[in-house]
Amino acid sequence: DAGVTQSPTHLIKTRGQQVTLRCSPISGHKSVSWYQQVLGQGPQFIFQYYEKEERGRGNFPDRFSARQFPNYSSELNVNALLLGDSALYLCASSFGTSGGLQDTDTQYFGPGTRLTVL
Amino acid sequence: AQSVTQLDSQVPVFEEAPVELRCNYSSSVSVYLFWYVQYPNQGLQLLLKYLSGSTLVKGINGFEAEFNKSQTSFHLRKPSVHISDTAEYFCAVRGAGSYQLTFGKGTKLSVIP
Repeated sequence: DAGVTQSPTHLIKTRGQQVTLRCSPISGHKSVSWYQQVLGQGPQFIFQYYEKEERGRGNFPDRFSARQFPNYSSELNVNALLLGDSALYLCASSFGTSGGLQDTDTQYFGPGTRLTVL
Repeated sequence: AQSVTQLDSQVPVFEEAPVELRCNYSSSVSVYLFWYVQYPNQGLQLLLKYLSGSTLVKGINGFEAEFNKSQTSFHLRKPSVHISDTAEYFCAVRGAGSYQLTFGKGTKLSVIP
């Protein structure tokens, strides 16, 4: 079975531009989460979507937005890019059947999109 | 809210030696605990997870971890490491009622031939 896929693999943008990152979850998974991993740090939670609705949002500015489509794929958009947005953006999927402590909520990660802002 | 502390940023170890990567967490609610591994220029791969039940959990590639509720720890161990274990290891926690994973800063394991 295919794992979580993300596109593009790498992206170079300049300050002030906008970027869209894409994620396709594991077949059967209905929940997608986005994380930002700055070099030398652990991933930080940005968003989680389940059944096309936002379930949670991390401490990120409104320049960051996301959406989930009927096929459960997702896009992360970042507007007005700053140098500090340079990072590896990771997408994770899970069954997401509940917000409680269930195995079905275990998150599986994609390979990430490396964003460089110049 | 939850937090995770990985006590060692770098751990060098000789090949075939045992290794322990330490992780402590803080949470006011029940938690799930995870270890993920990240090879250079790749995403995160799930090594193992603690959901409930036995406090000793076994994962892939010969790794295991022990959940200690009284010490709020979830240390990762391997009895004999291989060169291919060289990678960065992340401990993560998810609390009851929360949808997000909270990660530590990672521990870089370097296996020396």
